[in-house]
Amino acid sequence: DIQMTQSPSSLSASVGDRVTITCRASQTITSYLNWYQQKPGKAPKLLIYGASSLESGVPSRFSGVGSGTDFSLTISSLQPEDFATYYCQQSYITPRTFGQGTKLEIK
Amino acid sequence: EVQLVESGGHLVQPGGSLRLSCAASGFTFSNYWMHWVRQVSGKGLVWVSRVNSDGSGTNYADSVKGRFTISRDNAKNTLYLQINSLRAEDTAVYFCARGRDSSSSGRPLDYWGQGTLVTVSS
Repeated sequence: DIQMTQSPSSLSASVGDRVTITCRASQTITSYLNWYQQKPGKAPKLLIYGASSLESGVPSRFSGVGSGTDFSLTISSLQPEDFATYYCQQSYITPRTFGQGTKLEIK
Repeated sequence: EVQLVESGGHLVQPGGSLRLSCAASGFTFSNYWMHWVRQVSGKGLVWVSRVNSDGSGTNYADSVKGRFTISRDNAKNTLYLQINSLRAEDTAVYFCARGRDSSSSGRPLDYWGQGTLVTVSS
């Protein structure tokens, strides 16, 4: 199975900050990398697919880059509604493994 | 509007069985692959299984292979997950999700249900 490792596991930041979360795959996944946001008690929401494509309706402050094994999600200017847990997921092969999550908290 | 509504989760004894359902609406169900993902309270997301658009192809996580069966009824716009030989470690919220697996870009899970809680305990 492909292992997905996110860093950091948790992050404290302030409204207006620029934050970056990284995700590393244990083997190449080309660009089959997706990012999701999950708030407590809610279903995950797709933010970025194909490593860098912004899902329709998602604010442009979210962006993704990467290919091969190294990827990152950047939020350019944190808004209050962005405090949540973020997961990467590889969709290169099954099982479609997720990273362990990054909890973004208010400083 | 795309909607996915799970049901069927409840308290069950170890060794028991359960069938989860996911009712889909707002899109052409038979055109999409469908997935199940689970989440233990306070923990991360774990991919469980997927089924192709006509139900002829399935994949499973190793941890559930042989105990879980994913299926679908395209006439009823419904996805199922049959869970047998339940264990305490199967206790989780189970989400169904629509997959853009036929897409050449990313193959993400683009819509998710709200989840249904399965609790395995004596």
